[in-house]
Amino acid sequence: AQSVSQHNHHVILSEAASLELGCNYSYGGTVNLFWYVQYPGQHLQLLLKYFSGDPLVKGIKGFEAEFIKSKFSFNLRKPSVQWSDTAEYFCAVIGYNFNKFYFGSGTKLNVKP
Amino acid sequence: GAGVSQSPSNKVTEKGKDVELRCDPISGHTALYWYRQSLGQGLEFLIYFQGNSAPDKSGLPSDRFSAERTGGSVSTLTIQRTQQEDSAVYLCASSPVRTEAFFGQGTRLTVV
Repeated sequence: AQSVSQHNHHVILSEAASLELGCNYSYGGTVNLFWYVQYPGQHLQLLLKYFSGDPLVKGIKGFEAEFIKSKFSFNLRKPSVQWSDTAEYFCAVIGYNFNKFYFGSGTKLNVKP
Repeated sequence: GAGVSQSPSNKVTEKGKDVELRCDPISGHTALYWYRQSLGQGLEFLIYFQGNSAPDKSGLPSDRFSAERTGGSVSTLTIQRTQQEDSAVYLCASSPVRTEAFFGQGTRLTVV
């Protein structure tokens, strides 16, 4: 079975600090990669996605992620977080022959004002 | 345009009762997924529909769980004889084909 690992379960940062959330997946074939965000009381929303091409992808709200194929990683970054970034972040993977999206266990980010 | 719509948004039911959860996907999306999210847990896959057929039911926890999709659109997840461990947020998502999944708000199910 495929798996997605998010190493940080709970991250606490002060505003303006830089953020990097790790994501590793286990599948060796071609994959589509995603980061989703769930703000308190809201539904899951797409933050950014990678299908092919430039491995550095930019998403909404100043987030970016880098796909490193050799490391099976898709880490999420933001240079300067805001209080409004407080949310739970999920990494997800789907492969060509997959019947489902595999999600990581999520990382709760708490940004202190 | 309209997103994925789920109803009810909240459901409290007594242990042993049956419940039906509904999902209206985005029009034209052929793929539909059900996941559930328990407190402190990640997203647990339940079932995948491609059109009206369900090629992957591997995530359904027991035979008390069933789902159907009609007209390549609306899907219903049914839980029979609910148990307290069924309490969770049930999420529905639709997708064109293996591109990003669009999620609904979820149905919070509480079994008392």
